[in-house]
Amino acid sequence: DAGVIQSPRHEVTEMGQEVTLRCKPISGHDYLFWYRQTMMRGLELLIYFNNNVPIDDSGMPEDRFSAKMPNASFSTLKIQPSEPRDSAVYFCASSVQGQNTDTQYFGPGTRLTVL
Amino acid sequence: RKEVEQDPGPFNVPEGATVAFNCTYSNSASQSFFWYRQDCRKEPKLLMSVYSSGNEDGRFTAQLNRASQYISLLIRDSKLSDSATYLCVVNSFSGSARQLTFGSGTQLTVLP
Repeated sequence: DAGVIQSPRHEVTEMGQEVTLRCKPISGHDYLFWYRQTMMRGLELLIYFNNNVPIDDSGMPEDRFSAKMPNASFSTLKIQPSEPRDSAVYFCASSVQGQNTDTQYFGPGTRLTVL
Repeated sequence: RKEVEQDPGPFNVPEGATVAFNCTYSNSASQSFFWYRQDCRKEPKLLMSVYSSGNEDGRFTAQLNRASQYISLLIRDSKLSDSATYLCVVNSFSGSARQLTFGSGTQLTVLP
């Protein structure tokens, strides 16, 4: 079975550029989560969707960050403009209603470096 | 005060040792609790849920103390492959929104 797929796996960009991270959740999962992990702050929940609808975006750091889920099999996290402090590993995770919804399956992450 | 606090370690233990990790949480309305494991440069993976009655999975035992807002993970007979960072996770509900909060993790190294 394919797990959560994220692309790109690594991204290096310059400050001020737009960055788009992509995620394909596990087929049939109806929850999708975006996290950011840094050494200083650990793993932080940015936003999550249920049935493609954003439910809680209180973790999104500021207006430079936006996330969309146009359909059940695809989500994007966009940073525009990017800043060096955005450098982190960004994880996408999915889970399914009906089981233990807190069993989240994480993708391999996108390692973002903003120079 | 952080919502979920863990001793960051590192814990360096010999193979075969028993090691215990603790985690405290500040939101008394928290509803469910988990331990995740994260290997170096990999994604977190669910290790086990934590139930009020305590639960065991092979060499791993998890316990919850709601009165003290405290969660623990005990690993018996440590293996080299247990080396990883262990994340305590607390789930709370605020209205219709879930709040999943991860601890910063406890690093374990099992030495030969």
